[in-house]
Parts: sequence; structure tokens; C-alpha cells
Amino acid sequence: EVQLVESGGGLVKPGGSLRLSCAASGFTFSSYSMNWVRQAPGKGLEWVSSISSSSSYIYYADSVKGRFTISRDNAKNSLYLQMNSLRAEDTAVYYCARDRVAAAGSDYWGQGTLVTVSS
Amino acid sequence: DIQMTQSPSSLSASVGDRVTITCQASQDISNYLNWYQQKPGKAPKLLIYDASNLETGVPSRFSGSGSGTDFTFTISSLQPEDIATYYCQQYDNLPFLFGQGTRLEIK
Repeated sequence: EVQLVESGGGLVKPGGSLRLSCAASGFTFSSYSMNWVRQAPGKGLEWVSSISSSSSYIYYADSVKGRFTISRDNAKNSLYLQMNSLRAEDTAVYYCARDRVAAAGSDYWGQGTLVTVSS
Repeated sequence: DIQMTQSPSSLSASVGDRVTITCQASQDISNYLNWYQQKPGKAPKLLIYDASNLETGVPSRFSGSGSGTDFTFTISSLQPEDIATYYCQQYDNLPFLFGQGTRLEIK
């Protein structure tokens, strides 16, 4: 069974940093591109970042470019999102999601982790 | 960026009704479109990929059609468990934007 479990969310002050993790199991993690997608409270879905299976290709939404860094460790079956210079508008549930096939949307999603940016 | 315009934003229908949601892309995206269902407090679930292909395990009352710029998502006979918000997403070009969502309620 495919499982994606996010962790690392919490309350952080504006300008602060946070690192999200996503532990994957039930599939060959190193064969799949992965994504982070977020959802602000009461709002729609926003694609944040994608990383290819071997980390060769990395993409970011303009809203997070230069502040967020996506990475993965295939040996540990883990995906990460380093978030720096956080703003109030980054407050959201962050989902880790597996690409169905490379760059074709996500077929499995984690349960999400809440990031709250507030003073 | 390719903008996705989804309509309606909300919809109220009765059990057994046929429900249709549309998604329009700002430019040709071929068939590079997914449809997701999100129930309150839960993660999104992929229902339809490549505009018209049913994801494994998804009931056949769900279907999708369209190509180019105009796409349709249909529930042939609405069931109580279909209460959710539905999103389209294009994956023709980055950023992989989602539609605004359609909140579906039971009348």
C-alpha cells in the first residue's frame, strides 16, 4: 500500500524557517517524481514544487521561488521542503504527492501537515 | 501561465441527478488534465487522468471528456458520498495550476 506521511509543520514567525519531511513507503520511491502542493485555509489547491526521480529536474511556483528548496533522499525514501523567509501567506496545509507518471499530476497524496506563519 | 477556469464554483443537486462541471484552459493543453475529489479535512483523490481515463478503483459513475481547451467532468448519478469539492488540474505546462474548485452539495 502506498503511504506518504508528512511531518515538520507547526507555528513559525514571519521571516522564520521550517523543514517539512515526507516519508514514503509501499512503492519504489526512487522511480517517481514527487510534488509539494499546498492549500491555504478555506482556499483551493496550489502546486508548490516538483522534483524528478533522480533530482535532475526541479521546479517551483513563482510564489516560493528563491525561498523554498525541494530535495529528496532516495536511500531514505524521503522528500523534503526547506522553507525560508516565511510569510503569512505561506500559511497552509502542505501535501506531499506522488506523480502518476513524470509531470502528469499526482495519484497518491499524504494527509498533509499544517504550517502556520504568525507573530 | 495556463489559467484554468472551472465552473460552477458551487452546485447543489439531488441524489440520482446527473452533475456536470466544466473546466476551461486559457490555451490548448491537449488532454493533459486531471480531475480530483477532495472531501472536507482530507487529501485530494485522483479520479480522472488524461482528461478521460478513470483511475483504478474509482466508480464508473464518474467520467471526464474534452481536449484542447474545454473539458467536462460528469457524475452520472449523484450519490451521498460524492459530497466534496472537485478540482481540475492541467499538466501541459508549468506551473501545474488547478481550477478554483467546485463545491458540490446535496439538495
